[in-house]
Amino acid sequence: GQNIDQPTEMTATEGAIVQINCTYQTSGFNGLFWYQQHAGEAPTFLSYNVLDGLEEKGRFSSFLSRSKGYSYLLLKELQMKDSASYLCAVRDSNYQLIWGAGTKLIIKP
Amino acid sequence: IAGITQAPTSQILAAGRRMTLRCTQDMRHNAMYWYRQDLGLGLRLIHYSNTAGTTGKGEVPDGYSVSRANTDDFPLTLASAVPSQTSVYFCASSDGTGGPDTQYFGPGTRLTVL
Repeated sequence: GQNIDQPTEMTATEGAIVQINCTYQTSGFNGLFWYQQHAGEAPTFLSYNVLDGLEEKGRFSSFLSRSKGYSYLLLKELQMKDSASYLCAVRDSNYQLIWGAGTKLIIKP
Repeated sequence: IAGITQAPTSQILAAGRRMTLRCTQDMRHNAMYWYRQDLGLGLRLIHYSNTAGTTGKGEVPDGYSVSRANTDDFPLTLASAVPSQTSVYFCASSDGTGGPDTQYFGPGTRLTVL
């Protein structure tokens, strides 16, 4: 079966750095996405990786290793507004997105 | 309007009733999707449409139907609601023309079936 694994919850301190990991086993691979979802709101797009390596976008970076079935989202200079759930999703061979359950990130002052 | 809208925002429904969730996008995206989101589970695809006039089944299609009469609208119908369909429903769209084909989400409909 297809599977996306992420930690359920993480806690970090304002101003610090946090890394959210995602491992996947899917039938085929056509890209990996990270979305942010604040409580009670819709998911919003953060990043996309299709080739191995690091993609940097401001305070957020996303890394992909296709051979290891592994990605991480790195958030730097954490702000209170970064408190949200972070969703990892992989596009499979049928070109459909398979979603992880999300990682709830709690930021403490 | 800009983006994707969904209606209603929330609804409480008696089991056995018929319900249509509405979704409209103004981005001229080819592809549209319906997901449900339940606590502890990832988003699960119910139905999708790659272009107007075509639809396909996702991971959890049973009890739901969709239509795509035009580019902008993609309604989701529950023919006879059951309590297990209590969930938050998200509509999404993407341009469907290759590359990242990033999906953009509507604000969601919170549905409770009693």
